[in-house]
Amino acid sequence: DVVMTQTPVSLPVSLGGQASISCRSSQSLVHSNGNTYLHWYLQKPGQSPQLLIYRVSNRFSGVPDRFGGSGSGTDFTLKISRVEPEDLGDYYCLQSSHFPPTFGAGTKLELQ
Amino acid sequence: QVQLQQSGAELAKPGSSVKISCKASGYTFTSYYISWIKQTTGQGLEYIGYINAGSGGTNYNENFKGKATLTVDKSSSTAFMQLSSLTPDDSAVYYCALNYGGNYFDYWGQGVMVTVSS
Repeated sequence: DVVMTQTPVSLPVSLGGQASISCRSSQSLVHSNGNTYLHWYLQKPGQSPQLLIYRVSNRFSGVPDRFGGSGSGTDFTLKISRVEPEDLGDYYCLQSSHFPPTFGAGTKLELQ
Repeated sequence: QVQLQQSGAELAKPGSSVKISCKASGYTFTSYYISWIKQTTGQGLEYIGYINAGSGGTNYNENFKGKATLTVDKSSSTAFMQLSSLTPDDSAVYYCALNYGGNYFDYWGQGVMVTVSS
């Protein structure tokens, strides 16, 4: 299975500040069809994960443009600018280029 | 709007089985796949498998073959997952999720906590 390594495990931030989360895969996530299936989720306490970014850099419906995804191959980044209280929680990357889909272990975004 | 409504929490004894449900609404049930995901504090998020809600075809993560069985009832737009031969390691929150826009999980159910204890 593809191993997804997320860093950091914990990320203290200030409100209004910026955050960056890294996700690296153990093999290339470029699918045979040319697409790269790397996605980002936020799980708030007591809630289900919610999709933020799909296929590296596409914001899901309703996701503010403070969230941005980038990367290629095996290295990917989620950046959050102007952090707001509702952004706090656990962030996960997910790859679905290879079966089975696998998740990163998560990054906890918390107040500094 | 798309919604996935899961059944309630389960308390089960070791060796028994549970069957949890995921009722879909707000879209054409038989046109999409539903996936199931396990979440524990220790192992994080693990993918169990998916079912094609139209054909009933399934694909399982090797780690869950023999443990999970996925089915659907088209008449009620409901997906089911049965977990068998339960052990304490099966204690987790189980989510159903919809592959709606593509090869990712756009919408999730609220999760079902399964506790296996004697």
